[in-house]
Amino acid sequence: AQSVTQLGSHVSVSEGALVLLRCNYSSSVPPYLFWYVQYPNQGLQLLLKYTTGATLVKGINGFEAEFKKSETSFHLTKPSAHMSDAAEYFCAVSDLNGNQFYFGTGTSLTVIP
Amino acid sequence: DTAVSQTPKYLVTQMGNDKSIKCEQNLGHDTMYWYKQDSKKFLKIMFSYNNKELIINETVPNRFSPKSPDKAHLNLHINSLELGDSAVYFCASSQGQMNTEAFFGQGTRLTVV
Repeated sequence: AQSVTQLGSHVSVSEGALVLLRCNYSSSVPPYLFWYVQYPNQGLQLLLKYTTGATLVKGINGFEAEFKKSETSFHLTKPSAHMSDAAEYFCAVSDLNGNQFYFGTGTSLTVIP
Repeated sequence: DTAVSQTPKYLVTQMGNDKSIKCEQNLGHDTMYWYKQDSKKFLKIMFSYNNKELIINETVPNRFSPKSPDKAHLNLHINSLELGDSAVYFCASSQGQMNTEAFFGQGTRLTVV
């Protein structure tokens, strides 16, 4: 069965500092992995996804993630945090048929001025 | 043009009432979903439809009944509302393949009093 685990339900960083949000996955087949962002009172918006090919994936708003099969990880990073990055971030993996997505428990990112 | 739109955005109702949430997507996707987000931000699949056919029906009380009149619409009807039904309900759609992402609506915040 597919699943993802997000370590750290709350992460605080200073403005301009590195953002690192952790995601580990469990999958019986090569996984397809996604990062979503949810701003307050809004729906989820795709940041980036890994399907096949290059293991370093670049997304919107300066975010990127690296797929590491040996570590079963797909951590999300951004070199320099901005106040507008404060939001909830979800890692997700799709099931074998694309019939559903399994979401992690989310990480709330706070950016300190 | 909103890709996935759901109405209403807010819904406050008394226990025991029946209510519906409507969802429409204009992306031409074959697969639509209903997710429930609880107070801790945890996202759980409720239903998944592919080409109007029910694919996934998680352990949801049978007071919840989805209806898909066509590929572009997936409505959610809830009978005999309970306090525990209070949550944010998200509609989403995708092309229904492992490597394609889901597009989410803005959510409906349901409060049962």
